Amino acid sequence: GQNIDQPTEMTATEGAIVQINCTYQTSGFNGLFWYQQHAGEAPTFLSYNVLDGLEEKGRFSSFLSRSKGYSYLLLKELQMKDSASYLCAVMDSNYQLIWGAGTKLIIKP
Amino acid sequence: IAGITQAPTSQILAAGRRMTLRCTQDMRHNAMYWYRQDLGLGLRLIHYSNTAGTTGKGEVPDGYSVSRANTDDFPLTLASAVPSQTSVYFCASSDESSGSRAGELFFGEGSRLTVL
Repeated sequence: GQNIDQPTEMTATEGAIVQINCTYQTSGFNGLFWYQQHAGEAPTFLSYNVLDGLEEKGRFSSFLSRSKGYSYLLLKELQMKDSASYLCAVMDSNYQLIWGAGTKLIIKP
Repeated sequence: IAGITQAPTSQILAAGRRMTLRCTQDMRHNAMYWYRQDLGLGLRLIHYSNTAGTTGKGEVPDGYSVSRANTDDFPLTLASAVPSQTSVYFCASSDESSGSRAGELFFGEGSRLTVL
């Protein structure tokens, strides 16, 4: 079956760095996506990886290892507004997105 | 720019009633999707449409139907609502149905549905 695993909840301190991991097993691979979802709001697109390596976009970076079925989202210089759920999703061979349950990130002052 | 508009924002519905959730986009995106989001579970695809005039079943299609008469509108209908359909429903669109941009989805604000 297809499966996306990510931690349910993480806590970090304002100004610090946090890494949110995602492991996957899917039928084919056409890219891995990270989305941010604030409580009560819609998910918004953060990043896309299709090749191995690190993609940097401001304070956020996303890493992919296809051989290991592994990705992480790295958030630097954490701000209170980064408190949200972070959703990992993989596009399978049929170009359908398979979603993880999300990681709720709590930022403490 | 509105993006994607969903209606209603929230609704309480008696079991057995028919309900249509509306979704309209103004981005001229080809692909549109309906997801449900339940606590502790990932987003689950109900139905999708790769282009106007075509629709397909997702992971959890039972009890739901969709139509795509034009590019902009993609309504989701619950023919006879049941309590297990209590959820938050998100409509989404993407510029492509395949290729690198297919996973870059734009979401509506969601419709919170409670079936009693």
